[in-house]
Amino acid sequence: GQNIDQPTEMTATEGAIVQINCTYQTSGFNGLFWYQQHAGEAPTFLSYNVLDGLEEKGRFSSFLSRSKGYSYLLLKELQMKDSASYLCAVRALSGAGSYQLTFGKGTKLSVIP
Amino acid sequence: DTEVTQTPKHLVMGMTNKKSLKCEQHMGHRAMYWYKQKAKKPPELMFVYSYEKLSINESVPSRFSPECPNSSLLNLHLHALQPEDSALYLCASSQGADNSPLHFGNGTRLTVT
Repeated sequence: GQNIDQPTEMTATEGAIVQINCTYQTSGFNGLFWYQQHAGEAPTFLSYNVLDGLEEKGRFSSFLSRSKGYSYLLLKELQMKDSASYLCAVRALSGAGSYQLTFGKGTKLSVIP
Repeated sequence: DTEVTQTPKHLVMGMTNKKSLKCEQHMGHRAMYWYKQKAKKPPELMFVYSYEKLSINESVPSRFSPECPNSSLLNLHLHALQPEDSALYLCASSQGADNSPLHFGNGTRLTVT
């Protein structure tokens, strides 16, 4: 099985920087994804890491350390519209021999003025 | 806007009804998925179709029956559901490659009365 852990809630100020951490324990690791989900809407893809290091995409960056089972999502220049849940998802080899994506419980980020 | 289209957006059904959820994508993706998401919980994988064949069934009760008529369409047939099956049902697709992200539809909000 997989164990994915991320904080339940975070609050940050508009214009600031926030880091959302995710730790995981799994075998057959094949990549880590970050998704954003606004209330009542579908998750939208933000970033993907499979090798150690930092991936930057505009205001969003994601980091992965495979040896530590650790990732973070960094959001810069926060905007009010960034208030959403951020889901860490791990792809790993299942017992059936196929790759499956398992989501963490999500971090609800509230951006305040 | 999402490139994965789900219908209907909302569905209310009784426990004796039979209904179907529909999903369509025209991105040429070869893998399609059904996820179930309860309020304030992460999406949970139900089924995976790869190249129109069912590759993963996550021990879902038989009252949920998936169908993949072709590479662009995915259905979920519902029969004799229980109130606890009320949830947001999300369809997703991916290119099928190991590192390809999932693209989600906006979901069908299902209420079983």
